[in-house]
Amino acid sequence: AQRVTQPEKLLSVFKGAPVELKCNYSYSGSPELFWYVQYSRQRLQLLLRHISRESIKGFTADLNKGETSFHLKKPFAQEEDSAMYYCALTPSNTGKLIFGQGTTLQVKP
Amino acid sequence: DAGVTQSPTHLIKTRGQQVTLRCSPKSGHDTVSWYQQALGQGPQFIFQYYEEEERQRGNFPDRFSGHQFPNYSSELNVNALLLGDSALYLCASSLPGPGVNTQYFGPGTRLTVL
Repeated sequence: AQRVTQPEKLLSVFKGAPVELKCNYSYSGSPELFWYVQYSRQRLQLLLRHISRESIKGFTADLNKGETSFHLKKPFAQEEDSAMYYCALTPSNTGKLIFGQGTTLQVKP
Repeated sequence: DAGVTQSPTHLIKTRGQQVTLRCSPKSGHDTVSWYQQALGQGPQFIFQYYEEEERQRGNFPDRFSGHQFPNYSSELNVNALLLGDSALYLCASSLPGPGVNTQYFGPGTRLTVL
């Protein structure tokens, strides 16, 4: 079965602390993996995708095929990073996104 | 470019009724996908339209149907509404072409079924 699991519903850290949002996936093929973010009162938007290997707003994510994980990391959290984060995958040759349940990141001052 | 737009913003219906939600894709996009997001959950894929045809479908009953128009806008129709259909319905559009293209989301339509 194709599935994305985000084990933490809420992650609370202090400003300046490192952040790691966990994402594990279940898929037998080679997936495309994404992190989407939703800030308060804004629409869902792409944060990064693994094939781009970009760093967006200081966030990075590495695909670990052995552990079937795609954790999102940032070395120093900022208050403006507070938002809901969704990990998602697209199975090969499909256009659909399969989302995890999301993790709320709360960065305290 | 206003990006992906959806209407209406909110909608209240009663059980058994039918509802139509609308979506206009981002300029230059021809592929439209619909998602259902229940409270506290991640979005779930309903279906995707390209070239006015349903190309992919998620695990949703036939009560959920859609349409894409020649201008690439799309409608989502839900018949015989159930209480469990209460959710935020998201539309996303993407560029044409092969491969996996980034999906851009609209603000959603909040449907409440009483």
